[in-house]
Amino acid sequence: QVQLVESGGGVVLPGRSLKLSCEASGFTFRTYSMHWVRQAPGKGLEWVGIIWYDGSNEYYADSVKGRFTISRDNFKNTLYLQIDSLRPEDTAIYYCARDLHSSSPDVTWGQGTAVTVSS
Amino acid sequence: DIQMTQSPSSLSASVGATVTITCRASQGISNYLAWFQQKPGKAPKSLIYAASTLQSGVPSKFSGTGSGTYFTLTISSLQPEDFATYYCQQYNSFPLTFGGGTKVEIK
Repeated sequence: QVQLVESGGGVVLPGRSLKLSCEASGFTFRTYSMHWVRQAPGKGLEWVGIIWYDGSNEYYADSVKGRFTISRDNFKNTLYLQIDSLRPEDTAIYYCARDLHSSSPDVTWGQGTAVTVSS
Repeated sequence: DIQMTQSPSSLSASVGATVTITCRASQGISNYLAWFQQKPGKAPKSLIYAASTLQSGVPSKFSGTGSGTYFTLTISSLQPEDFATYYCQQYNSFPLTFGGGTKVEIK
């Protein structure tokens, strides 16, 4: 079945970097554009960004532009989120998701990975 | 950026009741609107896309309407498993944006 599994979260010091992963299975990963969405504790959903199916383009929310980088490896069926210069306000659960940007029956979310930025 | 405003932010309802959540876009988004359900500690679950099309496996007690700037999600015959937080999301243009959420609680 279609599955997205995030990993790489943890407790990180402010100013450090972290790379999250999202492993996809059960579908042809290379044909889908992928998203990252985050949710701060007790807050709503915030879209982070998208990477095109072939990795040719990315688009980011203004709040993360310049510090976050989305990439993918279509041979490993894996999506990545590199977060640099971590700030306490980056503390959140990070979800990867498929097909949030189209009228699609294929919308799928991972279970999320928690990032805590604290000294 | 397109702002999505949901109301109410929370509501209390009894089992068996019917509730309606509204979502307004700051500019026209045609029917490029999705609805998600999220339970505590869980990932969001897709309910509706294209404003009114149910995702596979979603019961018909959920229904969505609207286009342009005004949208609604109606849940009929509320059951204990329906008590959750609901979010709308526009995908008319980047950045994608979500409404602030509506928490549906048991009265």
